[in-house]
Amino acid sequence: ILNVEQSPQSLHVQEGDSTNFTCSFPSSNFYALHWYRWETAKSPEALFVMTLNGDEKKKGRISATLNTKEGYSYLYIKGSQPEDSATYLCAFKPSGGSNYKLTFGKGTLLTVNP
Amino acid sequence: DSGVTQTPKHLITATGQRVTLRCSPRSGDLSVYWYQQSLDQGLQFLIQYYNGEERAKGNILERFSAQQFPDLHSELNLSSLELGDSALYFCASSVATSWDEQYFGPGTRLTVT
Repeated sequence: ILNVEQSPQSLHVQEGDSTNFTCSFPSSNFYALHWYRWETAKSPEALFVMTLNGDEKKKGRISATLNTKEGYSYLYIKGSQPEDSATYLCAFKPSGGSNYKLTFGKGTLLTVNP
Repeated sequence: DSGVTQTPKHLITATGQRVTLRCSPRSGDLSVYWYQQSLDQGLQFLIQYYNGEERAKGNILERFSAQQFPDLHSELNLSSLELGDSALYFCASSVATSWDEQYFGPGTRLTVT
């Protein structure tokens, strides 16, 4: 069973604050790490797919970094807005064996107060 | 709108019954994935099909089965339903393999009474 941990479980910030959260995954047999954004009453929406150690990806005010050697990825949101309120999920895909399935973390619930 | 459609949106049925959930992937996507999300669980991967063939299996019960048809739409069949099967079932699609980003449908909420 693969262990994909996300922390914190939930987070409340004020509008304009910058924030970050963590996804931890097994450091061996890494293949890819996905980040998804999941708003209440909607379906998960892909943010990033990261495959290389040291990768850094950016989409607007949201960016992510990847450290495959130590098994973690950070998601950063700069200048949080109320519309950023959502659950942020990471999902890990190992190489070899069960090569085709993602294991999701339980997510970090972000609430941005206006 | 992700381009992935799922029907029905809601389903209420009794224990012991059988239901079929339907998913149409985005145009051009060959892979379809099924996930279950229960109240206190994260997204649990059930099964993946690629171009009509089963590619990977996750925590899918024997009472559940799926298939992908030649037109690439997929169906998830749930039989001998139990109260614990009540959940949100998502379908997702991707271009080919599961290292591609996945596009999720709106989900089917199943309630078993």
